[in-house]
Amino acid sequence: SQQGEEDPQALSIQEGENATMNCSYKTSINNLQWYRQNSGRGLVHLILIRSNEREKHSGRLRVTLDTSKKSSSLLITASRAADTASYFCATDKGGSEKLVFGKGTKLTVNP
Amino acid sequence: EPEVTQTPSHQVTQMGQEVILRCVPISNHLYFYWYRQILGQKVEFLVSFYNNEISEKSEIFDDQFSVERPDGSNFTLKIRSTKLEDSAMYFCASSANSRGYGYTFGSGTRLTVV
Repeated sequence: SQQGEEDPQALSIQEGENATMNCSYKTSINNLQWYRQNSGRGLVHLILIRSNEREKHSGRLRVTLDTSKKSSSLLITASRAADTASYFCATDKGGSEKLVFGKGTKLTVNP
Repeated sequence: EPEVTQTPSHQVTQMGQEVILRCVPISNHLYFYWYRQILGQKVEFLVSFYNNEISEKSEIFDDQFSVERPDGSNFTLKIRSTKLEDSAMYFCASSANSRGYGYTFGSGTRLTVV
């Protein structure tokens, strides 16, 4: 089945460092998205990368997609304490509207 | 920035009771969704809704669940007879298109079944 699986499950870094989170999936996709969730709150869309794209930037975020390896990475540069949250990848494929989420990476940025 | 609004933010209900979770999607969006997240688990798709009918649903979305867009603004999820395992955070989302992107999620309703 199509699944997004992130690693690591948890990541703790110091403010100012870069954070890299990875996502793997199993089937072909149309798009891959990254979402952020503060504890107990809603999902905030961060960035979408299409299957024909390899890299995308948005502010301090950089996303890569390797369709041959069925994997994506999210890099947050110069992290801040406010970046502390869980980060999820979500994929969609042709013929279906649903997003399939991974279990997420819990990022802690220590001040 | 436009928001998807969900009410209530937290609901506690007795097992076997009916609950209705409410959502106000973004006004010019045409596609509406419900997802849920059991504590500590993945966010799971429940149902998508377009043009006043269900366009896709998951195996979770059984006969106990129903959705409705009773007027031009609200989108509701009804659980007819709640079970303990229905306890979860329920997220509503809307999008202007059906391509799986451009979603805006609400902040969720935490449902606790006791």
